[in-house]
Amino acid sequence: DQQVKQNSPSLSVQEGRISILNCDYTNSMFDYFLWYKKYPAEGPTFLISISSIKDKNEDGRFTVFLNKSAKHLSLHIVPSQPGDSAVYFCAASGVNSGYALNFGKGTSLLVTP
Amino acid sequence: DVKVTQSSRYLVKRTGEKVFLECVQDMDHENMFWYRQDPGLGLRLIYFSYDVKMKEKGDIPEGYSVSREKKERFSLILESASTNQTSMYLCASSPQDLSEQYFGPGTRLTVT
Repeated sequence: DQQVKQNSPSLSVQEGRISILNCDYTNSMFDYFLWYKKYPAEGPTFLISISSIKDKNEDGRFTVFLNKSAKHLSLHIVPSQPGDSAVYFCAASGVNSGYALNFGKGTSLLVTP
Repeated sequence: DVKVTQSSRYLVKRTGEKVFLECVQDMDHENMFWYRQDPGLGLRLIYFSYDVKMKEKGDIPEGYSVSREKKERFSLILESASTNQTSMYLCASSPQDLSEQYFGPGTRLTVT
């Protein structure tokens, strides 16, 4: 049963514009959320995270928003660059999942020049 | 910088062979994980370990076993490889009490 859902398998955005990647979760016990970026033939790299006590976390061009009541989070990339083209995974963990992460299926972002 | 290394980037094995995938981390992390990544399915947890000689089943442990004899090393074992185990295998580690995981480069395993 998929507890973390990324309903858009792919997204295409023009360079310089905003990319918005969405993620929904079903388990209300999740209290820590992460975004990973993955290039082909490489392992995922950590991008940004947010704790459930916050509703926003920003790091340079990347901002993650958390809406706990809607069980929804989103990653904003502004401005988008061609090097941002990758697969983005949303992940969540909580008290009852120990230290294991529950991953979504990923969204493939393509940033076109 | 955290470094997680995996013994092979690409591996080709025959059906029925015993396969060992090795993972080593150099940051003294307590937690280590094995995932597989398949198109359209994302990352799925196979096994994880909180400490030496400890292991916990993840979401898809069938057909796999693990070994953690030393803190820095976590091995994934396919006792009898099958074609449906063709996949990208990713190892990760994290410090205790921290959800952020650091991933290795992955091993692309093909079982023919």
